[in-house]
Amino acid sequence: SYVLTQPPSVSVAPGQTARITCGGNNIGSKNVHWYQQKPGQAPVLVIYYDNDRPSGIPERFSGSNSGNTATLILSRVEAGDEADYYCQVWDSGSVFGGGTKLTVL
Amino acid sequence: EVQLVQSGAELKAPGESLKISCQGSGYTFSDYWIGWVRQVPGEGLEWMGVIYPGDSDTTYSPSFQGQVTISADKSISTAYLQWSSLKASDTAMYYCAKGGAVAGDYFDFWGQGTLVTVSS
Repeated sequence: SYVLTQPPSVSVAPGQTARITCGGNNIGSKNVHWYQQKPGQAPVLVIYYDNDRPSGIPERFSGSNSGNTATLILSRVEAGDEADYYCQVWDSGSVFGGGTKLTVL
Repeated sequence: EVQLVQSGAELKAPGESLKISCQGSGYTFSDYWIGWVRQVPGEGLEWMGVIYPGDSDTTYSPSFQGQVTISADKSISTAYLQWSSLKASDTAMYYCAKGGAVAGDYFDFWGQGTLVTVSS
């Protein structure tokens, strides 16, 4: 089965840029979606089809996808961005990455 | 406004059966896939499977195939997740989520979650 690999944690200072990676075999050929989950809450879609933003998601959120790595990019990070982030792809069934905890220092 | 409202928390004993629900509103329920996602406390998201309410076409994750049953009743805009014999390892939060017009689409709206606790 298809495996998505995310770093367990990423730390960034407020105002800086955070990059959360999602590795998978030839992931660049697939559509990647990203979700944010804050403690005690349901996940929220933040990026779909590699780099599209749902309405209501700030422009600070963007994505890229090429080769074996997809990346969620959070610009001008704020304290409220602290959360777990998950990538998702479809490969004969959907799969989530293991999740990355973003800490805002 | 799209909403997915899930049934309430459940406390069950091992071996018991259970069916939890997810009612959609604010969109044409039968036209979009609905997925179920498991989250064990303190752990990540696990994709369980999806159903197309229009014709009940269903796809399961190999990890959950045969362990659960996903169904839907489009007449009342409700999807279900059921177990015939619960195990302690089924203890988790279960989310339903609205997908797109194809099975592999993203989940753009999520239910609030149903906490299932299996304990003797």
